[in-house]
Amino acid sequence: EVQLVESGGGLVQPGGSLRLSCAASGFTFSSYSIHWVRQAPGRGLVWVSRVEGDGTGTNYADSVKGRFTISRDNAMNTFFLQMNSLGAEDTAVYYCARSANGYIDYWGQGAQVTVSS
Amino acid sequence: QSVLTQPPSASGTPGQRVTISCSGSSSNIATNHVYWYQQLPGTPPKLLMYRNNQRPSGVPDRFSGSKSGTSASLAISGLRSGDEADYYCAAWDDSLTHWVFGGGTKLTVL
Repeated sequence: EVQLVESGGGLVQPGGSLRLSCAASGFTFSSYSIHWVRQAPGRGLVWVSRVEGDGTGTNYADSVKGRFTISRDNAMNTFFLQMNSLGAEDTAVYYCARSANGYIDYWGQGAQVTVSS
Repeated sequence: QSVLTQPPSASGTPGQRVTISCSGSSSNIATNHVYWYQQLPGTPPKLLMYRNNQRPSGVPDRFSGSKSGTSASLAISGLRSGDEADYYCAAWDDSLTHWVFGGGTKLTVL
């Protein structure tokens, strides 16, 4: 069974940092690209970042470029989202998701990130 | 402001057929496949339709998808109370070089 389990969310002050983790199981990890997609309270889905299966290619939404870094550890079947210089606009549930054959097919349960003083 | 445009709400009575639209542009829907996700309250999104009109295993044939030009639509026939959810369309955008989503449509079964 495919599983994606996020962790590392929480409350952080404006300007602070947080690192999200996503542990994957049930599939050949290195064969899939991994994404982070966020959903602000009461709002829609917004794509944040992507890392390719071999970890060499990454993409970011303009709103997080230069502040967020996506990475993966294929040996541990885990990938990460390092988030720096957080602002209130980053408050959201962050989902990790996998894609193969060109589309996102499985999503994790999500991790809540709240940026507030 | 989402790149793909969806109506914020839709509704129908049990047994009815409802359609949810998704409007995009030449850099996304016109040139790439459209995907639909269903998000039941308090749960993560679930893939409902891929490559415009393909249903993943386990998705009933009451759900169907179509695409024409820069627009796509999701149809749900034989509406049930369990279909109450938020529905999102998505596509790859060649100009932005990343995935884009619609703002979501909240479906209410009256």
